[in-house]
Amino acid sequence: GAGVSQSPSNKVTEKGKDVELRCDPISGHTALYWYRQSLGQGLEFLIYFQGNSAPDKSGLPSDRFSAERTGGSVSTLTIQRTQQEDSAVYLCASSLVWTRTNTEAFFGQGTRLTVV
Amino acid sequence: SQQGEEDPQALSIQEGENATMNCSYKTSINNLQWYRQNSGRGLVHLILIRSNEREKHSGRLRVTLDTSKKSSSLLITASRAADTASYFCAHISNFGNEKLTFGTGTRLTIIP
Repeated sequence: GAGVSQSPSNKVTEKGKDVELRCDPISGHTALYWYRQSLGQGLEFLIYFQGNSAPDKSGLPSDRFSAERTGGSVSTLTIQRTQQEDSAVYLCASSLVWTRTNTEAFFGQGTRLTVV
Repeated sequence: SQQGEEDPQALSIQEGENATMNCSYKTSINNLQWYRQNSGRGLVHLILIRSNEREKHSGRLRVTLDTSKKSSSLLITASRAADTASYFCAHISNFGNEKLTFGTGTRLTIIP
């Protein structure tokens, strides 16, 4: 595709339900990142993938959060038993190659998650 | 936390004036990048400066990097109303982990 695509754009869910957020990176991009941003705040790192493996999961807030990436392409971030504090915009980004010389990241428009 | 910090947190200036935002970070870095975010959604990459560079220009943007002070600045000259946005710096450290870490951001408002 032309850019990073995230779906859904908005999600309202009841406390305690599970949600899945999807990210379609730019074709051929090997690196994929998930961030969380609360209103008016900075970007909180969650996890990043290089291909299908996740070298750094240190940002996942709890074991309710998990992510996977298949075929080196689409990634899914799953939040189980959602809590109100999970409400935020979840941003996905991808990058061609993390060569340390050209590491521009391209962002999707995010999924706004509201837990009621 | 290795998150960078930016100051000021918020900045309001008149259209046509220059805007300067600063960023500090805590680790040895490979490069430092600046991004812009409109309306709390996706970020757009503006400029990347490598650790062996001290200054870089792109249109009305000028970025400086001082690795000895672990700081960077972004200057936007001749500001326009369309420059109103949040600006974030981001870096990748040199210590194996290729996590892209963002600063706390500066909210810039250009007053017409």
